[in-house]
Amino acid sequence: QVQLVESGGGVVQPGRSLRLSCAASGFTFRSYNMHWVRQAPGKGLEWVAFISYDGSDKYYADSVKGRFTISRDNTKNTLYLQMNSLVTEDTAMYYCARERTVVRGVIITILGYWGQGTLVTVSS
Amino acid sequence: DIQMTQSPSSLSASVGDRVTITCQASQDIHNYLNWYQQKPGKAPTLLIYDVSNLEAGVPSRFSGSASGTHFTFTITSLQPEDFATYYCQQYERVPFTFGPGTTLDIK
Repeated sequence: QVQLVESGGGVVQPGRSLRLSCAASGFTFRSYNMHWVRQAPGKGLEWVAFISYDGSDKYYADSVKGRFTISRDNTKNTLYLQMNSLVTEDTAMYYCARERTVVRGVIITILGYWGQGTLVTVSS
Repeated sequence: DIQMTQSPSSLSASVGDRVTITCQASQDIHNYLNWYQQKPGKAPTLLIYDVSNLEAGVPSRFSGSASGTHFTFTITSLQPEDFATYYCQQYERVPFTFGPGTTLDIK
């Protein structure tokens, strides 16, 4: 069965960096587009970043553009989110999510599978 | 950016009730509209994609419809496990925005 397991969250000071990982199993990881979605405490869902199945296309929310970098290693079945210059507003649960289906060259952001999330707290 | 609004923001209902949540897009999203359910402390789960298609395993008491940029999510005969927060989400274009959510609790 599809499994997505995030890790790497923790408490970090403003201005510092953190790298999140999402280990995928139960499906052919290299075939699927992937996303990061976050949720601040007590708030709604915010889409953060997208990466295509082969890593050639990436998109970001304006709130993280220039600070966060999404990447993947298809040999390790792992998705990453490098977060730099963190600010308190980045405090959130971060989820990785897989698109429901595979259509090469098309972004179909129907998020059919989600990890359990990893909590990032930015605080001095 | 495409803005998604939802109403109501919260709703109290009883087991067996029929409830309706609406979602409005700020522009045409060509029916690229999904609905998710989230229970406290858990990740969201996909319920409905492309306006009205039920994800596998989702009970038929859940349904969705559309009229232009106005989208409706309905639960007929509420069950105890349905009390949760529901989000709409568009994927017509980046950024893929979610609605603010509707929290459904027990009356």
